[in-house]
Amino acid sequence: DQQVKQNSPSLSVQEGRISILNCDYTNSMFDYFLWYKKYPAEGPTFLISISSIKDKNEDGRFTVFLNKSAKHLSLHIVPSQPGDSAVYFCAASVSNTGNQFYFGTGTSLTVIP
Amino acid sequence: NAGVTQTPKFRILKIGQSMTLQCAQDMNHNYMYWYRQDPGMGLKLIYYSVGAGITDKGEVPNGYNVSRSTTEDFPLRLELAAPSQTSVYFCASRPSAQETQYFGPGTRLLVL
Repeated sequence: DQQVKQNSPSLSVQEGRISILNCDYTNSMFDYFLWYKKYPAEGPTFLISISSIKDKNEDGRFTVFLNKSAKHLSLHIVPSQPGDSAVYFCAASVSNTGNQFYFGTGTSLTVIP
Repeated sequence: NAGVTQTPKFRILKIGQSMTLQCAQDMNHNYMYWYRQDPGMGLKLIYYSVGAGITDKGEVPNGYNVSRSTTEDFPLRLELAAPSQTSVYFCASRPSAQETQYFGPGTRLLVL
């Protein structure tokens, strides 16, 4: 049972434009959300996170938006760069349990120069 | 710091063989995790540990065992390899429950 879903397996964007990656979740107990970036033959690396007490968190070119009522979060990358080409995973957890993260299936982003 | 290291990088096993996937971290993190990632799927938690001597099951523990005798090491044992265990295995660690995880580069396992 997939509690975190990324319905777009792939996305292509022109360099300089905005990339929007989406993630939906089903468990209303989730209150901590993260995005990871993964290059081939490497482990995932942390990108940005958001707590359910916020609806937006920014870090440079990366912004995560959280819509709790819709159980939806999105990652915006502006402007997109060729080095952003990777697989992006969203993950969610119940923070007071602290231990189990549930991951989406990933979206492969290609930024075209 | 080397971060999280995993060995081997790649291994082919025959059905019924056993092996241990090694994971070590030099960041003095209390929490360690083992995930598997099947093609086209997200990461699924196999086992985790909140400190030396303490381990617990994740979502998909069947067919695996772990031990945590030191803070640094968290090996994953496959006792009787099955084709369903063909996957990429990632180890991760984090300092506390409120912080993000740091992942190793992964071990690719093929069971034939």
